[in-house]
Amino acid sequence: NAGVTQTPKFQVLKTGQSMTLQCAQDMNHEYMSWYRQDPGMGLRLIHYSVGAGITDQGEVPNGYNVSRSTTEDFPLRLLSAAPSQTSVYFCASRATTNEKLFFGSGTQLSVL
Amino acid sequence: SQKIEQNSEALNIQEGKTATLTCNYTNYSPAYLQWYRQDPGRGPVFLLLIRENEKEKRKERLKVTFDTTLKQSLFHITASQPADSATYLCALDPRGGGADGLTFGKGTHLIIQP
Repeated sequence: NAGVTQTPKFQVLKTGQSMTLQCAQDMNHEYMSWYRQDPGMGLRLIHYSVGAGITDQGEVPNGYNVSRSTTEDFPLRLLSAAPSQTSVYFCASRATTNEKLFFGSGTQLSVL
Repeated sequence: SQKIEQNSEALNIQEGKTATLTCNYTNYSPAYLQWYRQDPGRGPVFLLLIRENEKEKRKERLKVTFDTTLKQSLFHITASQPADSATYLCALDPRGGGADGLTFGKGTHLIIQP
């Protein structure tokens, strides 16, 4: 089992560029989510999904899109990158509610 | 507004002593609370989960308590070791089993000094 796999590990973008952060899990988890982590702010939920075809917004969804076409994959799209989106992004999954989260190793994103 | 508070300053503990970390919350009625460990450059790793009807949970050198009256959880590491140095995060399910994800505290940086 690879668990939760995120790519890329590092990315530098220019303001206005778009990109997709990839997340895949091989544990057949229904629930997947994206968090961003900033110094002094902790982990904040961006978007989440409770199953294929179902997504919803978290605490800080603006500027990000998600889709869930399969159980395994949950990509996060930055539509037009802004310096405020410079952060470390974590994807996480769990089998269902009331269960522990499994996190990926993170993507460090810098927007110049 | 809902808030989760953890010691914002680093906690320095001498090796072999018990480290105690605090997680306080307001305006939540969580069904359970979780603790995670995060090392630099890595994703958080789950440690323990405690439910609202449980007062205490143990796993090896780790112990968690959950007081829903005080709205507080304490996380203890006994016989602490330098390898226990990390940031520890507490997390709540904001609606008691809701699907919209865990809400995390900002974490406490624990340093175990040899």
